[in-house]
Amino acid sequence: AQRVTQPEKLLSVFKGAPVELKCNYSYSGSPELFWYVQYSRQRLQLLLRHISRESIKGFTADLNKGETSFHLKKPFAQEEDSAMYYCGLKPQGAQKLVFGQGTRLTINP
Amino acid sequence: ETGVTQSPTHLIKTRGQQVTLRCSSQSGHNTVSWYQQALGQGPQFIFQYYREEENGRGNFPPRFSGLQFPNYSSELNVNALELDDSALYLCASSYTLDRDGYTFGSGTRLTVV
Repeated sequence: AQRVTQPEKLLSVFKGAPVELKCNYSYSGSPELFWYVQYSRQRLQLLLRHISRESIKGFTADLNKGETSFHLKKPFAQEEDSAMYYCGLKPQGAQKLVFGQGTRLTINP
Repeated sequence: ETGVTQSPTHLIKTRGQQVTLRCSSQSGHNTVSWYQQALGQGPQFIFQYYREEENGRGNFPPRFSGLQFPNYSSELNVNALELDDSALYLCASSYTLDRDGYTFGSGTRLTVV
């Protein structure tokens, strides 16, 4: 079975500090990993996916198959980064996303 | 409107009743998925439709059923509602079956009393 774990339900950092949102997964095959973000009163939207290896809004995430992790990082947090973040896994050949429980990130001024 | 739209936004039903939720896919998208998001949880996959056929199903009982129409809009039907069905129901559309992220709607908040 596939499983995504986000160990922190809440994370609070100061503006300008580095931020790391943890995501660990359990899956025996080759997954596709995603990060989705939900800003206040907005819909869930794709932030980035591991296959594109891009940086969006200063965020990056590297897939570590050895540690089965896909942590989301940003070197300098901004107040507008405050949001709910969900890590998602798409099993190979499957038509679904398996989400973690989410982490609520709060950036303090 | 080019995004994913869902209706209604809020709904209150009584246990045992039936409910139909609706979703209009983003223009150009031919695949639609439905997710259930209970309070404090991440979204859980219910099922997906591609070209009007069910194309994958999560761990939900048969009383959860769906339809996709030729214009790629979709319905989620839930029969014999239970209190635990209270949740936010999200619709997500995409163009291809693989490799793309999904565009989510704002959801329908269903409360079963």
